[in-house]
Amino acid sequence: AQSVTQLDSQVPVFEEAPVELRCNYSSSVSVYLFWYVQYPNQGLQLLLKYLSGSTLVKGINGFEAEFNKSQTSFHLRKPSVHISDTAEYFCAVIGINTDKLIFGTGTRLQVFP
Amino acid sequence: DVKVTQSSRYLVKRTGEKVFLECVQDMDHENMFWYRQDPGLGLRLIYFSYDVKMKEKGDIPEGYSVSREKKERFSLILESASTNQTSMYLCASSLVAGLKEQYFGPGTRLTVT
Repeated sequence: AQSVTQLDSQVPVFEEAPVELRCNYSSSVSVYLFWYVQYPNQGLQLLLKYLSGSTLVKGINGFEAEFNKSQTSFHLRKPSVHISDTAEYFCAVIGINTDKLIFGTGTRLQVFP
Repeated sequence: DVKVTQSSRYLVKRTGEKVFLECVQDMDHENMFWYRQDPGLGLRLIYFSYDVKMKEKGDIPEGYSVSREKKERFSLILESASTNQTSMYLCASSLVAGLKEQYFGPGTRLTVT
């Protein structure tokens, strides 16, 4: 079975500052990892995914994440945030032999001018 | 472009009513999912279907049932709505073989009074 922990429920940050949203997972099998974003009153949109290969994954809107197998982490980063990045971000994990995504509880990113 | 649609964005029902939430995908995906999203709890899987007429319980199936008569359509049914089923409901779909990425609909915010 897999589980996901998002350590921060809320992250406030000023515009143009860097941000890191933390995600740790546990699994007894190999996994794929995802970050989704949810803007107010919308469904979830895929930001980026790690399947294999390079541990640094680049996604949409300037976001990137790094897979660290030894620390079982998949933290999301952006070097300079914009007001429009205000949203809720979900980390998710799936075992390579299953079809069920396991989601974290989400991190609300609030960007202030 | 991938498309998952849900029949209603907002729905208000009375306690005891039978409620149908419809989801349609146009990507010929085998898998379809119903999630419930509540603040601080992330997304929790209610039911999952991997083929027409096939279904599997998720983490919180109590009080819900599902129907999948056609590949593109997956319905969530609340047999007798209760106030604790007030929530955001999200539908998603994915390929069986492939990269496991799930595509989400815009969500239905259900209020049971």
